[in-house]
Parts: sequence; structure tokens; C-alpha cells
Amino acid sequence: EADIYQTPRYLVIGTGKKITLECSQTMGHDKMYWYQQDPGMELHLIHYSYGVNSTEKGDLSSESTVSRIRTEHFPLTLESARPSHTSQYLCASRRTGGTGELFFGEGSRLTVL
Amino acid sequence: QQPVQSPQAVILREGEDAVINCSSSKALYSVHWYRQKHGEAPVFLMILLKGGEQKGHEKISASFNEKKQQSSLYLTASQLSYSGTYFCGTEIQAGTALIFGKGTTLSVSS
Repeated sequence: EADIYQTPRYLVIGTGKKITLECSQTMGHDKMYWYQQDPGMELHLIHYSYGVNSTEKGDLSSESTVSRIRTEHFPLTLESARPSHTSQYLCASRRTGGTGELFFGEGSRLTVL
Repeated sequence: QQPVQSPQAVILREGEDAVINCSSSKALYSVHWYRQKHGEAPVFLMILLKGGEQKGHEKISASFNEKKQQSSLYLTASQLSYSGTYFCGTEIQAGTALIFGKGTTLSVSS
């Protein structure tokens, strides 16, 4: 069973609000990722981190930002949410030198009104 | 850089077989396969490494053709529980981020 947690699971907010989606894992994984997925659609890589103080942007341009101050924590922040940010955000992690398997969190479903 | 999956959708009766393909224009280090059921997170099925062997998981197996940079997922004697969307994820170097294909939706009915 994967030990990677995302909060909140569901969030409905108004335009212009600042939001932070939390992601934590207790497996000691060095690599962490954020994917954006619209319902029934593909997974788009938006951010990734190879370790503490390491963050990179993914293939899909995103107005969100991330930080990696602690190994187990990889939060995603939107400074000013817009309706176009409505989507599901999936956090994942894996360990260097392990099987390569990505462990996914349950996701945070964001709706911006 | 995004891998191309085919077909987009498959409809099966229980007991029938299916093949899902994933191809890349770039040389790959590995191909991952995941299954996602509606409303749930993707779940790892297997990983195929460059130079590795064909993998199997019960009645689900996969192969990786390095010359063609193509992987195929084989679902044999499908069960209702196989329904979901299958994603391949590709890695061009060990440890780099996985880029996923658009997915193949599999529907199995009784």
C-alpha cells in the first residue's frame, strides 16, 4: 500500500484565491512529481523534483509553483486561481535505484468558480 | 516526446484478448504500464527496461521492442476487473520523469 497523501481531496474556490495543494510521502522517496489530469484524459507532467531544493517544470506549462524543502513534502501553490485551473492534480513519488514504480496519491480535485 | 498509444479504446467480452501498443520517436530507457479505474489513482502494472525480458503479471504481460521503440501490453482472457484506462509511461534515461501517453480505455462486459 502506497504511503503518499494528498490534501485536500476536493476543493471548490473562487477566482483570484491563493491555494496550496499538499503532498506528503512517508516512504523516503527522493523523486516526487505533480501531474495534472482532466477527467478521463491524459496525465500531464507539470512539476518534478529529484530531491531537496530541486524543482523543475514539466512538459505542460503551468502557472503553479512548487517547493521541496523537506524530502517528504512537495506542495503545489497557485497564487491566483482561475477557472482554467479546474482539474485533478495527482502527486507521485519514487525512489532512485528502486523498482522504478511510481506511487500515486489519491489526487486533489480542484474546481475554480 | 509524448508516447503514442493505440488503440484509443477497446471493447471486449469476458474471456477475449486485447493488445495495447505504445510507441516513441525517441530511444527509451524504460516503458511503464499503469491502469487507472474511474475516480481512482493510476496503479502500477509493470516496467520494461531496455535490454530486459518480457514481463508478466497473471494474465497480463508486456514486451519491449528496442529496435522499434515500441511496447505492447497483452491482456489474455480478460476479466471484468480489467476495465479501466491503461497508460504507458516512458523514460528516456534512468531516473528522468515519466511522460505518459494519452491512454487506452478498456471496457470488459459479461
